[in-house]
Amino acid sequence: GESVGLHLPTLSVQEGDNSIINCAYSNSASDYFIWYKQESGKGPQFIIDIRSNMDKRQGQRVTVLLNKTVKHLSLQIAATQPGDSAVYFCAEIFTGTASKLTFGTGTRLQVTL
Amino acid sequence: DGGITQSPKYLFRKEGQNVTLSCEQNLNHDAMYWYRQDPGQGLRLIYYSQIVNDFQKGDIAEGYSVSREKKESFPLTVTSAQKNPTAFYLCASSRLTSSYNEQFFGPGTRLTVL
Repeated sequence: GESVGLHLPTLSVQEGDNSIINCAYSNSASDYFIWYKQESGKGPQFIIDIRSNMDKRQGQRVTVLLNKTVKHLSLQIAATQPGDSAVYFCAEIFTGTASKLTFGTGTRLQVTL
Repeated sequence: DGGITQSPKYLFRKEGQNVTLSCEQNLNHDAMYWYRQDPGQGLRLIYYSQIVNDFQKGDIAEGYSVSREKKESFPLTVTSAQKNPTAFYLCASSRLTSSYNEQFFGPGTRLTVL
């Protein structure tokens, strides 16, 4: 497989448990925050995004929380499944910079049976 | 199928050689992007293009070049001036409006310098 994520922080959870992946962002002026999932050897896939004027958004089995006071973003995955095993990246975007994404370093999620 | 394709999936290059990575999209997106991914790091932007025949440098453009002659295509050339080219390269595209638009990623090309 690909070597992406060799030195990333790793979160191990049991199948069926909830997962919480955290991210600190840098630009207080960012307009949107996005979570991506990247499986080994593949490109990132969009999971969910949140606008800066919101503090919570829910999708199917996922919830993103935004705390602008401490510039913190989290992704909660309910009832984690083996197929959720991947590297998760947060990204921020300030639309004043021509839609340039700035990515965090990523967290590897390992789901154990 | 609609989407972004990158080729080849794996590419090997000798030191001192230029090599071109292909990226094609049939999503009718205006904007296209090239990122580099190294172990333990997030994606870093190399170049991006918002319109045909125009492109801008990203955060790590040195040693790379691009062209945008067609809306569907945004090839990346890794030149011999790039000191450490071994990495995973990802292409993305998005619509271009005044606000944020989701970027869709291709499957990536792993480049290894021998």
